Parts: sequence; C-alpha cells; structure tokens
Amino acid sequence: EIVMTQSPATLSLSPGERATLSCRASQSVGRSLAWYQQKPGQAPRVLISVATDRATGVAGRFSGGGSGTEFTLTISSLQSEDSAVYYCQQHIDWPLTFGGGTKVEIK
Amino acid sequence: EVQLLESGGGLVQPGGSLRLSCAASGFSLNNSVMNWVRQAPGKGLEWVSTLSNDGVTTFYTDSVKGRFTISKDNSKNTLYLEMTSLRVEDTAVYYCARRPLWSHFDNWGQGTLVTVSS
Repeated sequence: EIVMTQSPATLSLSPGERATLSCRASQSVGRSLAWYQQKPGQAPRVLISVATDRATGVAGRFSGGGSGTEFTLTISSLQSEDSAVYYCQQHIDWPLTFGGGTKVEIK
Repeated sequence: EVQLLESGGGLVQPGGSLRLSCAASGFSLNNSVMNWVRQAPGKGLEWVSTLSNDGVTTFYTDSVKGRFTISKDNSKNTLYLEMTSLRVEDTAVYYCARRPLWSHFDNWGQGTLVTVSS
C-alpha cells in the first residue's frame, strides 16, 4: 500500500499570506496525484489533478507541483473562504489512498 | 450538470446489513468508473470500492472484502453498495464519486451517514 503523508497537520495564516502544503508518497506515484478541499459539512471537491492541473472553476491562487514522491499545494494569497481541510490522494495503484489532511485556518 | 445523490444510510446493529444507493444524473454510468469513499466521524477520507465502467471489474479495500458488494443498474443510472456483516468501525459518511478515465475523483455526492451501533 502506498502511504501518503501530509504536513503540517495544521496551518494557521493570515489573509493574503502564502500557504504551502506538502504531501509525500511512500513510493513513486509519478504524476498520479490529486488535491481536494473539504469544508465542514460538505463533500470534498477536487482542486488539482495529475499533480499540476487546476480543475474547472478553481481559483487561480491554487497551484500544484511536484512528481514522484514529493508534492505541494500552494495557495498564493489566502482568502477567508480557503479555511478547510486539504487532502492529497494517489490513483496510480490499489488501494487508492489519501493523506491524513492539512487543516488550514485563517487568523 | 453532473449530480450524484446518495441514499440508504441509517442506524444498524453490528452484524446487520444495509444497501446504499447513488442516483446519477447529467452523465451515464455506462461510461464512468464509479466509486465509494467513506469518512468516519472527525477522520480523513478512505477509499472503499470501485466499479469499472463496463460493470465487470471491482476493487475493494481489504477491510470490506467479502462483506461489501458494489454494483450498478445502468437502466436506472444508479450505483449501489451492499453492506453486510457491518461492524462498529464501518460507521462513516459514505460518498459516491466518479472517476474519469481511472483518474482522480471529479464529482462527489453529498454523502449518506451509516451508523453501526447496538
């Protein structure tokens, strides 16, 4: 099983600041990596697919990077509505696995 | 517009059974890889099961193998998850989700809560 490890567990930043979330895979997943945002009481929604492609309708301040085992999700200028939990997920091998999530708090 | 609407959740005793449904609209299940993902209260996301677009191939996480069955009815454009021998640790919100071309999950339902408790 490919283990996905996210860091930090919690990120507390002010509006306008840059947020960098990390995701590490226990073995290479190539670019088969997606990022999701989940707000309280809501279903997750995809932000980034194949490591770097922004999903339709996702704000330009969200960007993904990396390949192999190291990935990042960057929010260039935090907005209040970005308060959420963010998950990475690999889809190259079974079982499909998610990271434990990073909670982003806006001060 | 793609929409997924789950139903069938509820309270069930350990050892009991439940069938979840996911009604799809805005696209055809004939052409889609469909999935169930769950989230225990206060926890992260866990993939549960996948059904190929042709309905032939299934995948399950180890903890549900032999207890859960994923299937679909193309005429009703509905996905199912038959759950038997339920355990307390199966308590979660269950989401159905679509995967385009065996890729990421691009559309999710709102979820249905399954509570396994005596």
